Amino acid sequence: DTAVSQTPKYLVTQMGNDKSIKCEQNLGHDTMYWYKQDSKKFLKIMFSYNNKELIINETVPNRFSPKSPDKAHLNLHINSLELGDSAVYFCASSRGGSGYGYTFGSGTRLTVV
Amino acid sequence: GEDVEQSLFLSVREGDSSVINCTYTDSSSTYLYWYKQEPGAGLQLLTYIFSNMDMKQDQRLTVLLNKKDKHLSLRIADTQTGDSAIYFCAESINTDKLIFGTGTRLQVFP
Repeated sequence: DTAVSQTPKYLVTQMGNDKSIKCEQNLGHDTMYWYKQDSKKFLKIMFSYNNKELIINETVPNRFSPKSPDKAHLNLHINSLELGDSAVYFCASSRGGSGYGYTFGSGTRLTVV
Repeated sequence: GEDVEQSLFLSVREGDSSVINCTYTDSSSTYLYWYKQEPGAGLQLLTYIFSNMDMKQDQRLTVLLNKKDKHLSLRIADTQTGDSAIYFCAESINTDKLIFGTGTRLQVFP
């Protein structure tokens, strides 16, 4: 069974649209994250949630809004999509605290046209 | 500050050893990690080392940490074509977020 699953795997949409990416983990982890990987493969954290509470919010435009209905889910909603939002978005989870590492989802490739 | 640097490319012959290097700037790192990303896939944790250790060995993988120079390396012994991927080092600090390096693309040729 997939430990951290994201849907959809691919998403192609037009500028100005609103879209959501869903993430679910069945590992019982307390902390979930969203990372963005750009075309040069740079990975940067966007958000982290611990038990449904926002812990980290890096410098991300307000158009990005994470939502965590429970500790097993962390969804990412993006409003008014722009060309520069095209990237691969990775969800991850961890037990929290350094040393446990993360378990990553397989990524969602978002292409804005 | 938070900055993790790696060389972009490494090319090795099958059967040789690969050494991937990483430098970081934040001395308060608690753990340092190596992740592998194959094409079109997510990130797979390969190994990690606690900041008070100098070395960790796990089968074909050897991690060396020089905390004074803030230098981390990953040695892959007997490199195989299946090892071709992008390798990311990452550091975690107290805030429990991972700061990733720029990634090293390892190409293994026969």
